[in-house]
Amino acid sequence: GAGVSQSPSNKVTEKGKDVELRCDPISGHTALYWYRQRLGQGLEFLIYFQGNSAPDKSGLPSDRFSAERTGESVSTLTIQRTQQEDSAVYLCASSFGYFYAGDTQYFGPGTRLTVL
Amino acid sequence: AQKITQTQPGMFVQEKEAVTLDCTYDTSDQSYGLFWYKQPSSGEMIFLIYQGSYDEQNATEGRYSLNFQKARKSANLVISASQLGDSAMYFCAMREDTGTASKLTFGTGTRLQVTL
Repeated sequence: GAGVSQSPSNKVTEKGKDVELRCDPISGHTALYWYRQRLGQGLEFLIYFQGNSAPDKSGLPSDRFSAERTGESVSTLTIQRTQQEDSAVYLCASSFGYFYAGDTQYFGPGTRLTVL
Repeated sequence: AQKITQTQPGMFVQEKEAVTLDCTYDTSDQSYGLFWYKQPSSGEMIFLIYQGSYDEQNATEGRYSLNFQKARKSANLVISASQLGDSAMYFCAMREDTGTASKLTFGTGTRLQVTL
């Protein structure tokens, strides 16, 4: 079966522009997560969606960041008025959403965002 | 305080030798999960192995095993018979079981280089 897919794989934008990043989770996975990875660092949690529940937005760094998810499928992460510090790889993951600690998250290939 | 600590920024190992990558964690939860992911230079995050806090036996997956010492709060990854393709970043991560699907907290990673 297909894994998590993300598009675009690379995005170069000018400071101040808005960008949209897309994630297609694994079919049947009800939970979807966004993480950010700055160069040479670990992953930072941004937001997650679980079914029809309200998303956990606790990791979003500012109100310039927002995300949507249509049902249990595609998600879009939007960054408005991009800044140079937004340059990073944005990784999406999905899981079955089981309510126990062993619910494994599977990651997409990421979108590398460069803000000039 | 760091929830996940990986104290080895870089490690070298000769091909066919075993190597241990260290990970310590901090949580007050009784139920939690520990994960290891591999990130090659291509950037994708590949799930390797999972250990639940209530699991009595150390997890194993092929050449990967997890040396879980609950009292010491350590979850070291052991790779046996290293291969050149094992050269990558390795991240330890924890999910605390809050009763709902939740984020992974990652360490800063260890870069493993396998040499001839």
